[in-house]
Amino acid sequence: QVQLLESGGGVVQPGGSLRLSCAASGFTFSSNGMHWVRQAPGKGLEWVAFVRYDGSDKNYADSVKGRFTISRDNSKNTVSLQMNSLRVEDTALYYCAKGDVAYWGQGTLVTVSS
Amino acid sequence: QAVLTQPASLSASPGASASLTCTLRSGINVGTYRIYWYQQKPGSPPQYLLRYKSDSDKQQGSGVPSRFSGSKNASANAGILLISGLQSEDEADYYCMIWLSSAEVVFGGGTKLTVL
Repeated sequence: QVQLLESGGGVVQPGGSLRLSCAASGFTFSSNGMHWVRQAPGKGLEWVAFVRYDGSDKNYADSVKGRFTISRDNSKNTVSLQMNSLRVEDTALYYCAKGDVAYWGQGTLVTVSS
Repeated sequence: QAVLTQPASLSASPGASASLTCTLRSGINVGTYRIYWYQQKPGSPPQYLLRYKSDSDKQQGSGVPSRFSGSKNASANAGILLISGLQSEDEADYYCMIWLSSAEVVFGGGTKLTVL
């Protein structure tokens, strides 16, 4: 069965950096795009970034463009999100999702606070 | 104006039906898109329910009961999630989603469904 396991969340000061990872299993990872989606406490879902199956195309929400970078390693079945210049408003539970957005991980919590 | 607009809350009685709407921004034609629906309960990730574009282009999520169904109201430019035979376990937040491009999705703000 499809499994997605996020890691790397934590507490970081404004302006700091964090790298999230998502380990995928149960499907052909190298044939599927991957998303990161976040959810601030008590708020709705916000799409963050997408990477194509082969990494050839990436796209970002305007709110994170220029600060976040999505990448993937098809040899390790992982997708990552490098988050730089973090802001208080980036505080959220970050989910990775399979390309068809039908499968989600449990999420990893990022808290940006001084 | 948001791309997808959902009412913040909706209440319905057990056994009744609930119709959750997802209105697309003017200029974005609902007929062009597959509308995806998700259910999220507190402390859990979103669960995929179904997608609907037309009666010939629809998909039910794995294990999702048939009392969850999708449709569209073209005149209102909206997608609809219909839940029939409401149960207390259906109380949750519901989100709609579309692919805005081949590399970008967008979510509605969500509807909190209360079953009382």
